[in-house]
Amino acid sequence: DAKTTQPPSMDCAEGRAANLPCNHSTISGNEYVYWYRQIHSQGPQYIIHGLKNNETNEMASLIITEDRKSSTLILPHATLRDTAVYYCIVRPHGSSNTGKLIFGQGTTLQVKP
Amino acid sequence: GAGVSQSPSNKVTEKGKDVELRCDPISGHTALYWYRQSLGQGLEFLIYFQGNSAPDKSGLPSDRFSAERTGGSVSTLTIQRTQQEDSAVYLCASSLDRAWDGYTFGSGTRLTVV
Repeated sequence: DAKTTQPPSMDCAEGRAANLPCNHSTISGNEYVYWYRQIHSQGPQYIIHGLKNNETNEMASLIITEDRKSSTLILPHATLRDTAVYYCIVRPHGSSNTGKLIFGQGTTLQVKP
Repeated sequence: GAGVSQSPSNKVTEKGKDVELRCDPISGHTALYWYRQSLGQGLEFLIYFQGNSAPDKSGLPSDRFSAERTGGSVSTLTIQRTQQEDSAVYLCASSLDRAWDGYTFGSGTRLTVV
């Protein structure tokens, strides 16, 4: 039960922005949105996470809607090395946090030259 | 170490044999997780260790699977009497206590049961 919905695949032209959507309409107040990616034959890599404010780091930006029911991961200038499966995950934080990340099927992003 | 280290990177075993997979987490990371990923599938949670708390074993698929974490550092995942459906990549991850910065995953152990 991944609690998120993502498109199975997307294409993006090299050098353009990649915008990956995620729906999490049942998100709870104490749940954060996390994004990971998995490049072929590697372990998943943490990208970014947020609660309700937009977040930016050296890898990407995360835009969360005001009602928190959806979010978008933005890779501002996609490169061929960004081709990967991108996972959107909601996870609670708190004293009872069990730490489990539950991965869904993710979005396969293909960056094309 | 600089990252999460898993060994062996590849393991081929005969059906019915026992196997042990090892994970060395990042130094100072108190939380450790095991996942597995079958070919073409997503990641399946197996077990989670956090400090001295009892591990969350809710993802272990059968009693043939067990894991331990000694001294709060190295972890070993043991699969007894391996079956062909156990063939998968077994991934280990570690994080700081509150995991604000997310998990760091190892490169995994590819297990093939023949």
